[in-house]
Amino acid sequence: EPEVTQTPSHQVTQMGQEVILRCVPISNHLYFYWYRQILGQKVEFLVSFYNNEISEKSEIFDDQFSVERPDGSNFTLKIRSTKLEDSAMYFCASRSGVAGVLETQYFGPGTRLLVL
Amino acid sequence: QKEVEQDPGPLSVPEGAIVSLNCTYSNSAFQYFMWYRQYSRKGPELLMYTYSSGNKEDGRFTAQVDKSSKYISLFIRDSQPSDSATYLCAMSAWDFNKFYFGSGTKLNVKP
Repeated sequence: EPEVTQTPSHQVTQMGQEVILRCVPISNHLYFYWYRQILGQKVEFLVSFYNNEISEKSEIFDDQFSVERPDGSNFTLKIRSTKLEDSAMYFCASRSGVAGVLETQYFGPGTRLLVL
Repeated sequence: QKEVEQDPGPLSVPEGAIVSLNCTYSNSAFQYFMWYRQYSRKGPELLMYTYSSGNKEDGRFTAQVDKSSKYISLFIRDSQPSDSATYLCAMSAWDFNKFYFGSGTKLNVKP
């Protein structure tokens, strides 16, 4: 069964450093998402991406964050200058967007980011 | 007012029990309702998905939606220790563009 994959599974970084989290969405899916989950808290929406542009972003997704689909398979989240409060589990998700196909978001296993 | 409310539990039941998990919501624009299961430090795994009021059954799982009361439920019959996980409700408007999650209910099924 197709699945969303994410790398790395864990990332430790120093405050102020840049990190790039990578995702490979399900093949042929058209919509891509990033969510985060701070330990013990809700899964929170960060950004949605379609047709090579951001379609919606939350107030969390400030200028320190950016997303990119550099090729036909990868979808990345970059945090330019990490803060301690960026420590969280980051989930990538994808959705088909094709008429007649079960429409929901499928989540990857997550990248656990720890900012020291 | 929170968009989605879910009792965090924990909920502890004996093996074989019927489990009832619930969420309430405030936004009338929500049209689609999902239940995800999340094991510790893993990604949410889709369990059930529905878009209308009423019941939807899949094996031991039944999802129930009452749009008039803005209330959704997930029932697990004949619960197993392997069902022990955190259960997240999620919902979205018609465009699926942004999911709103509940805080999750931690379930422990004791052998």
